[in-house]
Amino acid sequence: QQQVKQSPQSLIVQKGGISIINCAYENTAFDYFPWYQQFPGKGPALLIAIRPDVSEKKEGRFTISFNKSAKQFSLHIMDSQPGDSATYFCAASIPQAGTALIFGKGTTLSVSS
Amino acid sequence: DTGVSQNPRHKITKRGQNVTFRCDPISEHNRLYWYRQTLGQGPEFLTYFQNEAQLEKSRLLSDRFSAERPKGSFSTLEIQRTEQGDSAMYLCASSGYRVADEKLFFGSGTQLSVL
Repeated sequence: QQQVKQSPQSLIVQKGGISIINCAYENTAFDYFPWYQQFPGKGPALLIAIRPDVSEKKEGRFTISFNKSAKQFSLHIMDSQPGDSATYFCAASIPQAGTALIFGKGTTLSVSS
Repeated sequence: DTGVSQNPRHKITKRGQNVTFRCDPISEHNRLYWYRQTLGQGPEFLTYFQNEAQLEKSRLLSDRFSAERPKGSFSTLEIQRTEQGDSAMYLCASSGYRVADEKLFFGSGTQLSVL
């Protein structure tokens, strides 16, 4: 119940294309769903996050779509750029309970120029 | 403040030796987390402090692992009698005190190699 399942494991997208990464969870108590971006040799950095009271959140080229009934959420990267090539992690937690973030296994994105 | 600082960046040790890592969080952050990340995996939660109190420990944290956060400032993670399976990136993260401060700021990690 504490798992967050992420897919695909790797993704290759052409420059200008749309990158889509999906995550699913079981624990309905989760109420905070961030996406983190990690470059080689660096720690993860928060990209965008959503709470389950909204179905979509957009920040620049990055959008989270959230489907509470299906217990799924996804990251969409519009107009993907070579600089977006990184590993992306979805995560979930229960901030009110002070629980730590549970991360998915990650998706390695390569944007070809 | 330049963010979460971790030292050393790399550590190579022989099996059976003890190692200690240090994390300096963002100065106004009260919460501090340790995660472990292996190649091709997401970060796995190890333990969490609020100020100097260790509030949660994962079952991944065997009795060979111990973490401290004296005076609620920097934190240390010690691994005794290291094993090859301990080889991983050890990440530290911090966040603010308010419950709404869910955003974790990660350091660049300490890469441990156990030979």
